[in-house]
Amino acid sequence: EAQVTQNPRYLITVTGKKLTVTCSQNMNHEYMSWYRQDPGLGLRQIYYSMNVEVTDKGDVPEGYKVSRKEKRNFPLILESPSPNQTSLYFCASRGESSYNSPLHFGNGTRLTVT
Amino acid sequence: GDSVTQMEGPVTLSEEAFLTINCTYTATGYPSLFWYVQYPGEGLQLLLKATKADDKGSNKGFEATYRKETTSFHLEKGSVQVSDSAVYFCAPFGGSNYKLTFGKGTLLTVNP
Repeated sequence: EAQVTQNPRYLITVTGKKLTVTCSQNMNHEYMSWYRQDPGLGLRQIYYSMNVEVTDKGDVPEGYKVSRKEKRNFPLILESPSPNQTSLYFCASRGESSYNSPLHFGNGTRLTVT
Repeated sequence: GDSVTQMEGPVTLSEEAFLTINCTYTATGYPSLFWYVQYPGEGLQLLLKATKADDKGSNKGFEATYRKETTSFHLEKGSVQVSDSAVYFCAPFGGSNYKLTFGKGTLLTVNP
């Protein structure tokens, strides 16, 4: 089954403790992206990747890192999480055969930083 | 950059009522237009899309027409069901920055 898999689904951590949220897709998609969803703000893009070893900042990249060493994986790294990074995070991917192709989303990771 | 304004929610309707969720956008060039839906506890999924002016996207009884003259892509359904309860996002794609821009989402609740 074609899917985008994020782990974990829920995560509670403390300020300053490094964490990684994993994202993997099995559709051989070139494009991958991370979003955060906050009440009243909709979805905002954090980082995106057009292909292996190619990453770019989105609208709200501060406090986040990503890497794209392999096509299927696109982890999101918070080196020193802070409470304002408490949010619902989504990973998404898209094939580049057509720029009109829809994004495929994971089921989300709800992060709480205390 | 591109931007999108969609109807503020929440929207509460009774089953079989008519639904309209307004969406207008600003974008350079000729963007493609998407509606995504997010059911409770899930990620977003594509509901429908239109790629050029006057195109009508449709799926699951929902429709939206690409109106270039009014830069709008309003979502409609003639008779909503309880299972349509979800958050709906309008999203233009394209322009100079090759990016999908999401609206803030509209929460729809359909009561039996």
